[in-house]
Amino acid sequence: NAGVTQTPKFRILKIGQSMTLQCTQDMNHNYMYWYRQDPGMGLKLIYYSVGAGITDKGEVPNGYNVSRSTTEDFPLRLELAAPSQTSVYFCASSILGENYGYTFGSGTRLTVV
Amino acid sequence: QKEVEQDPGPLSVPEGAIVSLNCTYSNSAFQYFMWYRQYSRKGPELLMYTYSSGNKEDGRFTAQVDKSSKYISLFIRDSQPSDSATYLCAMQGRGSNYKLTFGKGTLLTVNP
Repeated sequence: NAGVTQTPKFRILKIGQSMTLQCTQDMNHNYMYWYRQDPGMGLKLIYYSVGAGITDKGEVPNGYNVSRSTTEDFPLRLELAAPSQTSVYFCASSILGENYGYTFGSGTRLTVV
Repeated sequence: QKEVEQDPGPLSVPEGAIVSLNCTYSNSAFQYFMWYRQYSRKGPELLMYTYSSGNKEDGRFTAQVDKSSKYISLFIRDSQPSDSATYLCAMQGRGSNYKLTFGKGTLLTVNP
């Protein structure tokens, strides 16, 4: 049981480039989330999904897009990368219900230069 | 006023000390309270989960919630060097699609 898997672990992008951060979970969780974590700033919600085909914006969605075509996968797309998107990105999933918290992936460390 | 306030520390204690970590919040809709532990360059992992006011104990860890004061705490007894990590409080409101609001995290170092 792999849990939540994120790829790549590290990436350096040039300003204006695009990329997709991959996230896959094998726990059949309904809910999936993308957070970014900046030093001293905690975790900020970018986008979330309550099931396949359903996505919604979080606190900081600008510059990002998501899709959820299957229960397992929730990729995050960065278009026209900017230095402000330098951060550590975490994907998380949660089963339907309020008593289980989140399972996080190990993160993608992105630098935009 | 931010929804969740957490002192970022850093906090440095000797091995065996009792550690107290705290968060305050302003949103009365928060019903569920969690503590996550995050080791360096790793994802957060759920440590404690509480719903009602009061205490919940799990081994050396005790989570405390005071809804009337909008204040939560995590106590670590007999702290160990392996407890060195960043501790994040997180809160969830009913009907929020299980979205969590996180504190900024407190960096704890336990010195042997």
